[in-house]
Amino acid sequence: SAVISQKPSRDICQRGTSLTIQCQVDSQVTMMFWYRQQPGQSLTLIATANQGSEATYESGFVIDKFPISRPNLTFSTLTVSNMSPEDSSIYLCSVFRGSYEQYFGPGTRLTVT
Amino acid sequence: AQRVTQPEKLLSVFKGAPVELKCNYSYSGSPELFWYVQYSRQRLQLLLRHISRESIKGFTADLNKGETSFHLKKPFAQEEDSAMYYCALSDRRSNFGNEKLTFGTGTRLTIIP
Repeated sequence: SAVISQKPSRDICQRGTSLTIQCQVDSQVTMMFWYRQQPGQSLTLIATANQGSEATYESGFVIDKFPISRPNLTFSTLTVSNMSPEDSSIYLCSVFRGSYEQYFGPGTRLTVT
Repeated sequence: AQRVTQPEKLLSVFKGAPVELKCNYSYSGSPELFWYVQYSRQRLQLLLRHISRESIKGFTADLNKGETSFHLKKPFAQEEDSAMYYCALSDRRSNFGNEKLTFGTGTRLTIIP
């Protein structure tokens, strides 16, 4: 298994500001994934973060809005920039380990007012 | 593009009764399918995957390629089965360990005592 922690667990932010979410894994992993879960909806992949290279973004997500850092094999950050109420979601990081199993962090609940 | 459909947002079942959570998918290749579960106040976790053909907590799921379905079943529901269940499909890439998941919208299962 993998132990994944996220900070902060929740936050309330004002429109137009930015929030950086941290994800820490207890061991080295190649890929880290960032998902978004909007209220009442399913999880949607934002981007895949690989250490030492730029993140790969999914359709509908851009680096200017969701910059990602991956400074080492156990840590990643996701920034939600210039926030609007539509960014209110739960943001989750996950890692792949072993036979096709992904482990998820506890999530960061973001509310934008 | 791959898609996962869970037609039921809510499902209530009496304790001891059989449970079936439906999942249908569309995918052009050979899919890898999973069921994830999220219990109250816990993080998302893997319940089972089709390639292992195992039974976890009494749940089973059979991949039916003809019907493009991966329904989750349990013969006798228990109260602790109440949770949110997500069906997910993996988009296998050429690099092992880079699988991203496409999730369905989830089904909230409530077991009535």
